[in-house]
Amino acid sequence: ETGVTQTPRHLVMGMTNKKSLKCEQHLGHNAMYWYKQSAKKPLELMFVYSLEERVENNSVPSRFSPECPNSSHLFLHLHTLQPEDSALYLCASSQESVRGDTQYFGPGTRLTVL
Amino acid sequence: AQSVTQLGSHVSVSEGALVLLRCNYSSSVPPYLFWYVQYPNQGLQLLLKYTSAATLVKGINGFEAEFKKSETSFHLTKPSAHMSDAAEYFCAVSVFHGTASKLTFGTGTRLQVTL
Repeated sequence: ETGVTQTPRHLVMGMTNKKSLKCEQHLGHNAMYWYKQSAKKPLELMFVYSLEERVENNSVPSRFSPECPNSSHLFLHLHTLQPEDSALYLCASSQESVRGDTQYFGPGTRLTVL
Repeated sequence: AQSVTQLGSHVSVSEGALVLLRCNYSSSVPPYLFWYVQYPNQGLQLLLKYTSAATLVKGINGFEAEFKKSETSFHLTKPSAHMSDAAEYFCAVSVFHGTASKLTFGTGTRLQVTL
């Protein structure tokens, strides 16, 4: 595996379900990110982790819970979601979390909440 | 605050024609600017990046962008469009916020290439 991988690629869940999105980076980077891409809205940053420590939480509802057990893995735990949470969730990584660092993106997980 | 604005949510060109996708930025400090491309059902792929080393930046797939401080612009161009260039293109600026950096994206421009 190379680059940034995400699983699953597609997920359909009910509002009462609990599920998790997984991201893995094979680039030796120290920073990882979750973004949300909704139709007709700009990409929104959700969370930033640097050296496994959360350094940014962009006013995301508590029904989204991130976890970064090591610098290669990032999870997004989902529970009691709403239909408006349906979107493409993108994971990215960069060498460090500094201005100008290039972020490399995974293919995304397409989430549909029924 | 730093931001980017992409003019034109949809651009259509004929195969072989010039591609011009517009991006203007707002920044109180020298900006780091990016262009990413997103093909259907895929993530974002880096096309090119401006870091102040040179005002004309060459990227992958024949794309390039020119940084013009006087116009606060970073437009993306390609001399001759291919059908495979049909995708959505995002301009972004790197911002340091609090204790972390993040990318602030434009709203995207969907490029259609016709025969």
